Amino acid sequence: DSGVTQTPKHLITATGQRVTLRCSPRSGDLSVYWYQQSLDQGLQFLIHYYNGEERAKGNILERFSAQQFPDLHSELNLSSLELGDSALYFCASRHRDSPDEKLFFGSGTQLSVL
Amino acid sequence: AQTVTQSQPEMSVQEAETVTLSCTYDTSENNYYLFWYKQPPSRQMILVIRQEAYKQQNATENRFSVNFQKAAKSFSLKISDSQLGDTAMYFCAFMNPMDSSYKLIFGSGTRLLVRP
Repeated sequence: DSGVTQTPKHLITATGQRVTLRCSPRSGDLSVYWYQQSLDQGLQFLIHYYNGEERAKGNILERFSAQQFPDLHSELNLSSLELGDSALYFCASRHRDSPDEKLFFGSGTQLSVL
Repeated sequence: AQTVTQSQPEMSVQEAETVTLSCTYDTSENNYYLFWYKQPPSRQMILVIRQEAYKQQNATENRFSVNFQKAAKSFSLKISDSQLGDTAMYFCAFMNPMDSSYKLIFGSGTRLLVRP
């Protein structure tokens, strides 16, 4: 168990809908990353938050947004869902932004858009 | 922009044998970090090994070792005495410490099957 909690584990929804994925980082971890893993693909970086502030954006669609709350948990909001948004969404956290800090991954949320 | 390439989509090895997974990357930076992650069927991302580019010595973790060739921008993973539990997707990843986000950039992965 990495200590990073993602809910829900599985989510099935329809095209055009909106969903929210939740991530609780390890206790005390200030830094949260979101990644998208499409079928049999590598992980694509979406967005990074540090202590409530956005630090970096990857190839994140405008239909997607995220935030990190004062208690450091993070939410990834996906709207106007399309079939191609079906993927495994990972959250990862580290204590602080340093290359020497290990990154811990959650077990992911599997999103299926039908 | 940095890129990571894993040219072997799938590989297979007999139990107890040795297998090497390839990874190449492209960067103009002199200092960086490289990683191998394992993703078993449980989907959990597990750090296997990490290498800092300024360190000459290749990293090792038990049966896992890397061959880091900085000039060639190559970072291969060798798994010795393969075990059935090594069956998984393996991802190579790159981190640029000059990027204040310290995000990881992943390759597309190699699916490894260990045969009994």
